[in-house]
Amino acid sequence: DTAVSQTPKYLVTQMGNDKSIKCEQNLGHDTMYWYKQDSKKFLKIMFSYNNKELIINETVPNRFSPKSPDKAHLNLHINSLELGDSAVYFCASSQVYDAEAFFGQGTRLTVV
Amino acid sequence: KNEVEQSPQNLTAQEGEFITINCSYSVGISALHWLQQHPGGGIVSLFMLSSGKKKHGRLIATINIQEKHSSLHITASHPRDSAVYICAVRLGSQGNLIFGKGTKLSVKP
Repeated sequence: DTAVSQTPKYLVTQMGNDKSIKCEQNLGHDTMYWYKQDSKKFLKIMFSYNNKELIINETVPNRFSPKSPDKAHLNLHINSLELGDSAVYFCASSQVYDAEAFFGQGTRLTVV
Repeated sequence: KNEVEQSPQNLTAQEGEFITINCSYSVGISALHWLQQHPGGGIVSLFMLSSGKKKHGRLIATINIQEKHSSLHITASHPRDSAVYICAVRLGSQGNLIFGKGTKLSVKP
């Protein structure tokens, strides 16, 4: 069983579109995250969701909005996609906020 | 200047060699993580450390809190160890992870 799963694995879309990436974890963890890995392979935190509290990274444009229907899911919605949004997006979870993180396989988003 | 610096950026080794990857950070932290990113892109957590040393198979991670430095060692390296190794630190128990730029390791048979 996959512990942290993301869908889709690949997403190609046009500028201006709105898209979502789904993330589910079956580990019973309290905390989930979204990370962005840019073309230089540098990882940066986007959002942390800990026990129903969303921690927003202030460098993330408000076109990005996480939504958590329940503790096992943290989906990422992106409005008005731009070329610069092209990256690999990783979802992760951990038992509690400062524990070891388990990563999803990543979603490669390409905006054309 | 990045708060987390890794060295070297790239490392090529022969199979069987002992490998060391270094990570230095400039701020107080609550924990340090070592991650492995496979050529296919998947990320796996290797270690989480707040002090001392941890060992898992051929991998050893150490941390010196006073010197703000951690090392990841791989003994008897193998081509399947080829990957990018990423150091990340957490600033306090409520801080986000801050990542280094990674060390790309290639182990030749």
